[in-house]
Amino acid sequence: KAGVTQTPRYLIKTRGQQVTLSCSPISGHRSVSWYQQTPGQGLQFLFEYFSETQRNKGNFPGRFSGRQFSNSRSEMNVSTLELGDSALYLCASSSLGQGNTEKLFFGSGTQLSVL
Amino acid sequence: GENVEQHPSTLSVQEGDSAVIKCTYSDSASNYFPWYKQELGKGPQLIIDIRSNVGEKKDQRIAVTLNKTAKHFSLHITETQPEDSAVYFCAATPPKLSFGAGTTVTVRA
Repeated sequence: KAGVTQTPRYLIKTRGQQVTLSCSPISGHRSVSWYQQTPGQGLQFLFEYFSETQRNKGNFPGRFSGRQFSNSRSEMNVSTLELGDSALYLCASSSLGQGNTEKLFFGSGTQLSVL
Repeated sequence: GENVEQHPSTLSVQEGDSAVIKCTYSDSASNYFPWYKQELGKGPQLIIDIRSNVGEKKDQRIAVTLNKTAKHFSLHITETQPEDSAVYFCAATPPKLSFGAGTTVTVRA
């Protein structure tokens, strides 16, 4: 089985722009979660999608949004980028039910740099 | 919310020696404690997990222990090898999956 695939691998944007990141979960996995990883804050939960609906949300501003498609693929969008949004954005999928945070499989992430 | 503290932040060990990483959690409702290993340029990978009804779990060279009363759990790596060099994260859930800050393990040849 192919693992979790995230695209693009690297991204450079400037302040004020917006960005869309993509995640394809492992085939058969219906739950997709997004995490932000920074040296200072570690791994922070953004949100979780299950069956095209956002089930849980972390403490991030409304500039961070996402969606999930019928094939379980997910996208994350960040609008009006700020320098502090520079981070590694990780997507994780799970074969377990909604809200279940066990047995997560992570992708390699998208490294976003905001200049 | 859940607060997970992890120590040490860095750990350097001689190849063949053991490595121990310790974590504490705050939410008594937490009952699942996974450990993830993140190699350079990759996402975290689940290496072992333990539930609150078990005190210890072992998988080849790695083991995890849990003291639910004291709210702490530890990862033990025995006979360390160069490929064990990575960043290790502990986590606890529920409520949400909360990660420790990570431990950078370096195995010296």
